[in-house]
Amino acid sequence: AQTVTQSQPEMSVQEAETVTLSCTYDTSESNYYLFWYKQPPSRQMILVIRQEAYKQQNATENRFSVNFQKAAKSFSLKISDSQLGDTAMYFCAFDRGGGSNYKLTFGKGTLLTVNP
Amino acid sequence: DVKVTQSSRYLVKRTGEKVFLECVQDMDHENMFWYRQDPGLGLRLIYFSYDVKMKEKGDIPEGYSVSREKKERFSLILESASTNQTSMYLCASSLSPAKPQHFGDGTRLSIL
Repeated sequence: AQTVTQSQPEMSVQEAETVTLSCTYDTSESNYYLFWYKQPPSRQMILVIRQEAYKQQNATENRFSVNFQKAAKSFSLKISDSQLGDTAMYFCAFDRGGGSNYKLTFGKGTLLTVNP
Repeated sequence: DVKVTQSSRYLVKRTGEKVFLECVQDMDHENMFWYRQDPGLGLRLIYFSYDVKMKEKGDIPEGYSVSREKKERFSLILESASTNQTSMYLCASSLSPAKPQHFGDGTRLSIL
């Protein structure tokens, strides 16, 4: 079974600075997909970024980028130029891409607070 | 944009009641999911469905059932509500495995 670990329950950062959220996972699969989702306070969960395991290039979406280390089974999220609107719970998720017993496995989340 | 609509944002029910949580998506997605979100535990999958009338158990199906009679609608049923089912419930849909999931606003359910 896949597991996803987010070792930082809470983090804080000053506005305009850079912060990195960590995520590790455990799997025997060779091809899979990884996601970061963001859940602002009292608001809807939305996708931040997606990485396909067979692609070596790290995914990037504007101020958000990942450091994907397949051998180490690590998938960290870097937020550059942090903004107050980045305050949210961030969830790392693993998707084996279908097949029997398919499901998406989430970590327990990291609460990020951006301070003015 | 994909829209996933959950019927209630807040719901209060009594112990022993049968509770229905409804979810509708408007993008013809094959897959639909029900999660439970509790502080410190993240999201845990209750059930999911990959086609009409098809369902699969997730990690915590006990005390719950689901129904998917139409592609766009996925219902979560608490057969006999108990206080330990007080939680935030999230519905999601996706086009296929490996595609991003789109979430509803959530239903905060309190069982008294």
